[in-house]
Amino acid sequence: NAGVTQTPKFQVLKTGQSMTLQCAQDMNHEYMSWYRQDPGMGLRLIHYSVGAGITDQGEVPNGYNVSRSTTEDFPLRLLSAAPSQTSVYFCASSPGQGRADTQYFGPGTRLTVL
Amino acid sequence: GDSVTQMEGPVTLSEEACLTINCTYTATGYPSLFWYVQYPGEGLQLLLKATKADDKGSNKGFEATYRKETTSFHLEKGSVQVSDSAVYFCALCSSGGYQKVTFGTGTKLQVIP
Repeated sequence: NAGVTQTPKFQVLKTGQSMTLQCAQDMNHEYMSWYRQDPGMGLRLIHYSVGAGITDQGEVPNGYNVSRSTTEDFPLRLLSAAPSQTSVYFCASSPGQGRADTQYFGPGTRLTVL
Repeated sequence: GDSVTQMEGPVTLSEEACLTINCTYTATGYPSLFWYVQYPGEGLQLLLKATKADDKGSNKGFEATYRKETTSFHLEKGSVQVSDSAVYFCALCSSGGYQKVTFGTGTKLQVIP
């Protein structure tokens, strides 16, 4: 199993550009999430999905869109990049079996917005 | 709402020293508690977890005990190695609905030879 994969690994954008961060998992997990990691702030939840066709907002959803058309894929779209979106982005998946679930993380995408 | 507070780093230790990273939490109901580790340039991975009061999670020489009376889940290791250098995150998952995970801010550990 590849686990959770993310592309690209690094990205530089100019303010106002749009892009999509890709995330895929091959573990047949129901739940998928997007987090951003900023220094001194831990991980903050952007959007999550509890199954194909079902998504919802997390703590910091503004400026981001998601969709989940298949169990495997959960792309994150930046609509109009801003310097405040400079961060490391992690996708995670979990089986969706309960509060003891382990989260499985991808390797991350380091995004810089100039 | 739920929250996790862990000691600020960085923590610098010599090889073979004892490690304690403090973690306390606030949550409704009976959460599960986790420690995740992030090695440089990588995503987080589960280190250990405990799902009910007095449970002890353990892995790779690390241990943490779920203390409901003190709402704590401190991470301990008796003898650290250089390879333990990483950022450690305490986290909780509350019961009910979507199992949202709340993370602490992370504690960076550096072990020097």
